[in-house]
Amino acid sequence: DTEVTQTPKHLVMGMTNKKSLKCEQHMGHRAMYWYKQKAKKPPELMFVYSYEKLSINESVPSRFSPECPNSSLLNLHLHALQPEDSALYLCASSQDPGTSTYNEQFFGPGTRLTVL
Amino acid sequence: GIQVEQSPPDLILQEGANSTLRCNFSDSVNNLQWFHQNPWGQLINLFYIPSGTKQNGRLSATTVATERYSLLYISSSQTTDSGVYFCAVDTGTASKLTFGTGTRLQVTL
Repeated sequence: DTEVTQTPKHLVMGMTNKKSLKCEQHMGHRAMYWYKQKAKKPPELMFVYSYEKLSINESVPSRFSPECPNSSLLNLHLHALQPEDSALYLCASSQDPGTSTYNEQFFGPGTRLTVL
Repeated sequence: GIQVEQSPPDLILQEGANSTLRCNFSDSVNNLQWFHQNPWGQLINLFYIPSGTKQNGRLSATTVATERYSLLYISSSQTTDSGVYFCAVDTGTASKLTFGTGTRLQVTL
């Protein structure tokens, strides 16, 4: 099973709201990722968790707060977002982080976020 | 950081036609993946191909790592092949996938 699930599929929030995006995988993968994709652009990496520890933060604003409660779950907490944060947020996972061996990434269906 | 360029940026084909999509990258890579992004945003894994040639049905891919490019071949295209095709590379330093600029494919009847 190469499935990564994400909830919710769609989210509309105001600039003063607090919300969370959730991602789950049951493939035994030890690396999990958040990407952001603006319309008509390629996905861009935001965060990498390796063995449940944050290993990469691509200078993401603090209004985005990632959390990895266990090896299967990844959350992205959102607070005081701006309209320009509206985008598709993609979660991914891979088997073997930070090595040059097989490390294929598998993506979830994404959460389409609109900030009003 | 590494630069990943794809060509052509846009492609319109009639059903049944063949096409070749190209991905050029500016530095050595450990891993390379091809994805198809459908109209709903889902990234579908096509190939994991850091080097060599692979085939899967009507699709095949070749990566020549020493010359820093990869090709994706689509034969007998169907309307369901429409969408955006991305290559993405990982330099191996920290499992960071850098995506290419994408090729938007439209297959018409």
